[in-house]
Amino acid sequence: AQKVTQAQTEISVVEKEDVTLDCVYETRDTTYYLFWYKQPPSGELVFLIRRNSFDEQNEISGRYSWNFQKSTSSFNFTITASQVVDSAVYFCALGGGRRALTFGSGTRLQVQP
Amino acid sequence: GAVVSQHPSRVICKSGTSVKIECRSLDFQATTMFWYRQFPKQSLMLMATSNEGSKATYEQGVEKDKFLINHASLTLSTLTVTSAHPEDSSFYICSARDFRTVGYEQYFGPGTRLTVT
Repeated sequence: AQKVTQAQTEISVVEKEDVTLDCVYETRDTTYYLFWYKQPPSGELVFLIRRNSFDEQNEISGRYSWNFQKSTSSFNFTITASQVVDSAVYFCALGGGRRALTFGSGTRLQVQP
Repeated sequence: GAVVSQHPSRVICKSGTSVKIECRSLDFQATTMFWYRQFPKQSLMLMATSNEGSKATYEQGVEKDKFLINHASLTLSTLTVTSAHPEDSSFYICSARDFRTVGYEQYFGPGTRLTVT
């Protein structure tokens, strides 16, 4: 069985602070994909990143960066210099390929002005 | 990326009636689509896997006679909530898998918010 754990239920920061969202996963598959999605109040999922299990390189995209560590089964997401527009629920997910996605419970991020 | 649409985006229905939700892949063919359900302030949970031309596969605890899934074409899957009750009120999201892509990328629809009164 696959499992994704997002231990942080809610995080509140002040604008311009850096914030890291944690994600730990469990799977017996040797090939798998990890994802991060943003869900604003509208509900529509916004795709942020997909990472193949064979690619452990960290990735940076603007203010966003991801740290994938297979040794600790973690795929953490950092927002640098947070902005109010970053306020949303963020989901980490595991699966892809032939599998449906297994989502974590989500982390609600509130960025205060 | 590819586009997946859902219709309607919102629906309010009375208890006991049936509601049909459509999920379409607009610019690619999807032999497999997935249906998820999200209750308020909760995560997305897989309900069923919809395969074109064959019966859907339901997750444990999901009533297949209540949530009817039809995947009659390579671009359309429908979810019908039969005899809806207030506890079926939820956000329903579909995703479609593009088998042409490396790793069979999945694209999510915008979701349908169902309210049963």
